[in-house]
This record gives sequence, C-alpha cells and structure tokens, in this order.
Amino acid sequence: DTEVTQTPKHLVMGMTNKKSLKCEQHMGHRAMYWYKQKAKKPPELMFVYSYEKLSINESVPSRFSPECPNSSLLNLHLHALQPEDSALYLCASSQEPGSNEKLFFGSGTQLSVL
Amino acid sequence: GQQLNQSPQSMFIQEGEDVSMNCTSSSIFNTWLWYKQDPGEGPVLLIALYKAGELTSNGRLTAQFGITRKDSFLNISASIPSDVGIYFCAGPSGGSNYKLTFGKGTLLTVNP
Repeated sequence: DTEVTQTPKHLVMGMTNKKSLKCEQHMGHRAMYWYKQKAKKPPELMFVYSYEKLSINESVPSRFSPECPNSSLLNLHLHALQPEDSALYLCASSQEPGSNEKLFFGSGTQLSVL
Repeated sequence: GQQLNQSPQSMFIQEGEDVSMNCTSSSIFNTWLWYKQDPGEGPVLLIALYKAGELTSNGRLTAQFGITRKDSFLNISASIPSDVGIYFCAGPSGGSNYKLTFGKGTLLTVNP
C-alpha cells in the first residue's frame, strides 16, 4: 500500500459548523503533514507531526486543530472557519521526519466555507 | 526564507513536442523534487534528486540536479495530452528537512 487516503473528497460547511478532515497511511511513515493549497498556487505547510507529536505549527489560526491518534492517522478538526479558508487541504507523509525523504500526498479535501 | 524561482509560469505546446522547465534558487538545496498535480488532486512525485549533477529519468521525464546545487530542470519528451497539469519543483528549506519549499508551478497545456 503506497497511498495516502483522505476523506472526505469534498466538504461544504457553514461558518458555525464543526467538521473534521481525515487522513490515513499504511506505509509505516513516521512523519505526517497538513498543507493548504489555494487555486493555482503551491501548497503551504500548516502542521507537521513527527512520531505522533506535533513538531511544527506554521502559525495556523486556532480554528484549525490537528490531531494524530496513532502513527497511521491524522485528523484536522475545523471550527468557526471563514470563507477565506476555502481551499484544497492536502495530507502528506514521509518515511522519516528531518530527512531528505520524499513526501507522498493524498488527493486532498476540497473545502468550501459558506 | 529560501525561495524557488520556477519558469516558465505556463506553456502551451502541441502533442509530440518536447518540454523543458526549470527551477533556480539563491540558496543551496540538498534535494530537488519534481511533482505533477492534476486539477482537484494532490501532487504526485515524479522524480527525486539527491546528488549534484545527478541526471534521472522516469519514462519520458528526465530531471537533473544542477552542479551548483542551486538549480534543477525537468524535461518531458514527446508530450501527450495526459501530461497536462501543473508541475512543481520543491526542496527542503530553512535548515529543516521537515519543510518543503515549492516553486510557483508551471502550468502545461498540450494541444492534441
């Protein structure tokens, strides 16, 4: 299994809703990442988990709350989002953190905030 | 922080033509990665380069790690319609290999 699986594929939510994005990998990778991508722009790093611990938070607003329940799963909890948070949210993993390892990306969740 | 200058920004070519795009940086990179992204999908890794001067192929794709470690190029030979997409170069930045810096991307359109 060489995939990073993200659910849901699409999500529409209101500004008062609470929702969660899910990511799963079974490659035994020990680093997992959340990226945000606006249309026709490169991905921007949000969070890095290394061995299930949060190692990098790129000054992301607290309305985004990541969680790593185990080495295969990564969640992103969303609450009170703004319309400008609409974007493609990408999960990625790499074999080891802090190395020159390649990042493998999921297909993303296309989020629309109304 | 480190920046990657990717060019061209977009390309319109005819099927069968060869394509070349490149990335440059003012800083040294130890790794260069090339990704392709289709609309609504995540980036897919095409080629990874780890050594200055390294030339690596993946089917019709060829990429090179510049000898100065400040640049890389990607060539696509005999383009086909499914080559359409956005191509990103990327490399670890800021002294930490956790963080990838991405170029702004090259949008490739192939006319059949």
